[in-house]
Amino acid sequence: EVQLVESGGGLVQPGGSLRLSCAASGFTLSSYWMHWVRQVPGEGLAWVSRINADGSSATYADSVRGRFTNYKDSARNTLYLQMNSLRVEDTAVYFCTRGPLNGYHIQYWGQGTLVTVSS
Amino acid sequence: EIVLTQSPGTLSLSPGERATLSCRASQSISNNYLAWYQQKPGQAPRLLIYLTSNRATGIPDRFSGSGSGTDFTLTISGLEPEDFAVYYCLHYDTSRGTFGQGTKVDIK
Repeated sequence: EVQLVESGGGLVQPGGSLRLSCAASGFTLSSYWMHWVRQVPGEGLAWVSRINADGSSATYADSVRGRFTNYKDSARNTLYLQMNSLRVEDTAVYFCTRGPLNGYHIQYWGQGTLVTVSS
Repeated sequence: EIVLTQSPGTLSLSPGERATLSCRASQSISNNYLAWYQQKPGQAPRLLIYLTSNRATGIPDRFSGSGSGTDFTLTISGLEPEDFAVYYCLHYDTSRGTFGQGTKVDIK
């Protein structure tokens, strides 16, 4: 069974950093494209970043490019999102998601972890 | 960057009625890279449709997707009580994804 379990969310001050983790089980992380998606409570979904299967290429939404880094640790079968220079507008629930074996859409979702950026 | 506009914002229907949700793209979408998701309060979204018209595993056949170019539709042929939720379309390709703003289907 595919499981994605996010952790690392919490309260951080503007300008601070946080690293989110996504522990994957039921599949091998290095075989799949992975995405991060965020959602401000009560609002819609926003795509944040994706990384390809072998972890060699990551792309980002304009709003986070240069501040966030999406990467994989294949030995730990864990996906990470390093978030630096956090802004109040980065406050959201962050979902770790997985694509299918052959395709680019989002197939599976974790339950999300809440990041709150506030002074 | 492609922008997706969903309409209507809210659809108020009764159980058993047909729901038609629209997702319009600012540019033509290639390869039919368009998916639909359902989200209920307090839950993660769930994949319903991918590649415009392919139902995901376990999705009832009352859900169907169609469209091409810039106009895409999710149809729910007869609403069940568990279908009242928010629905999002997603355009994806090899480099990024873009979500529509969502359509809420609520009970009339």
